Amino acid sequence: NAGVTQTPKFQVLKTGQSMTLQCAQDMNHNSMYWYRQDPGMGLRLIYYSASEGTTDKGEVPNGYNVSRLNKREFSLRLESAAPSQTSVYFCASRSGPRVETQYFGPGTRLLVL
Amino acid sequence: AQSVTQLDSHVSVSEGTPVLLRCNYSSSYSPSLFWYVQHPNKGLQLLLKYTSAATLVKGINGFEAEFKKSETSFHLTKPSAHMSDAAEYFCVVWSKGGNDMRFGAGTRLTVKP
Repeated sequence: NAGVTQTPKFQVLKTGQSMTLQCAQDMNHNSMYWYRQDPGMGLRLIYYSASEGTTDKGEVPNGYNVSRLNKREFSLRLESAAPSQTSVYFCASRSGPRVETQYFGPGTRLLVL
Repeated sequence: AQSVTQLDSHVSVSEGTPVLLRCNYSSSYSPSLFWYVQHPNKGLQLLLKYTSAATLVKGINGFEAEFKKSETSFHLTKPSAHMSDAAEYFCVVWSKGGNDMRFGAGTRLTVKP
């Protein structure tokens, strides 16, 4: 039981390049989330998927798109990376939107030059 | 609307002395409150959570927190700091059925030998 996994662990991009961050969970959770972590700002929600087949914007969605591929997988795409998107990205899941505990992946460290 | 304020960005203690990390919250509804810990270059680990049961919550590694509704606070304490406690700590608020968790900016705990 791996919990929440993320790939890649670390990525360097040039401005304007695109990439997809992958997230998968093996806990049969319905809800999945993408956050970014910046110094002095805690974690901020980018997008979430309350259940398979649905996605919604969070606090900071601009510049990102998401896909809930199936119940297990939730990907985050940067179509045209900008230096302001340099951050650490965390995926998380919970069994349902009314359940308290959220489980986090190990994070993806992204550097945009 | 909900939000969290962590009152100290950095706390430094000596090993064996008490730890106090302060958190105030704002929530329109009866909130659930959490403390997460993040060790350097690691993901987030749940320390403890308050979900409207006992107001004094015990967590892992000897940490505990007390929910005080009148003061809208959820401070994290530990009687005796250990070197391994050095990490970043996040206070988080969530309203049941809400779309996301709101993170504080974090408190970096340093433990001196």
